[in-house]
Amino acid sequence: KQEVTQIPAALSVPEGENLVLNCSFTDSAIYNLQWFRQDPGKGLTSLLLIQSSQREQTSGRLNASLDKSSGRSTLYIAASQPGDSATYLCAVSKSDSWGKLQFGAGTQVVVTP
Amino acid sequence: NAGVTQTPKFQVLKTGQSMTLQCAQDMNHNSMYWYRQDPGMGLRLIYYSASEGTTDKGEVPNGYNVSRLNKREFSLRLESAAPSQTSVYFCASSEWADTQYFGPGTRLTVL
Repeated sequence: KQEVTQIPAALSVPEGENLVLNCSFTDSAIYNLQWFRQDPGKGLTSLLLIQSSQREQTSGRLNASLDKSSGRSTLYIAASQPGDSATYLCAVSKSDSWGKLQFGAGTQVVVTP
Repeated sequence: NAGVTQTPKFQVLKTGQSMTLQCAQDMNHNSMYWYRQDPGMGLRLIYYSASEGTTDKGEVPNGYNVSRLNKREFSLRLESAAPSQTSVYFCASSEWADTQYFGPGTRLTVL
């Protein structure tokens, strides 16, 4: 069974610092990996999707890398802002069941002014 | 363009009562999903529908039924609610295996 782990569970940084969020998974036979953001009491917002054949994806201040062989993905957020405070979740789908996303528990981020 | 909408936003049930959670998307997506989110357990897939006319079980399907009414709508039914079904329920949609778009959630309490 695929296990998805996100460490640390919580992170606090001063504004302007770069954020580094980690996601690891046990089964490397993934179809894709998605990063989401969740604000308190809200639904999830998609940030980036990386196909299994890709090594990284970028959108603005966000960059996500994928190392399938070692079962790891890292989300980098450059020059953090207080508005980046949220919970960040990663999720993977398997090659033989692409519709079934397996989520990590998330990393709760606080960016202090 | 509303994206994914869910009704109701909040619901309180007594044990044994039934209810249906409604979900609709206006992005013409083929695939739709139901998740539940619990503290300490993260998000878990209940059921999904890869395309209109098909449904498949996810990780935690027991106690739930689904109906893919048409391409836009995917409902989740609790036939006899139990306290263990107290949770936040999210509906999502996607174009096949592409990015999933989530609704705002339904907060359900079963007493």
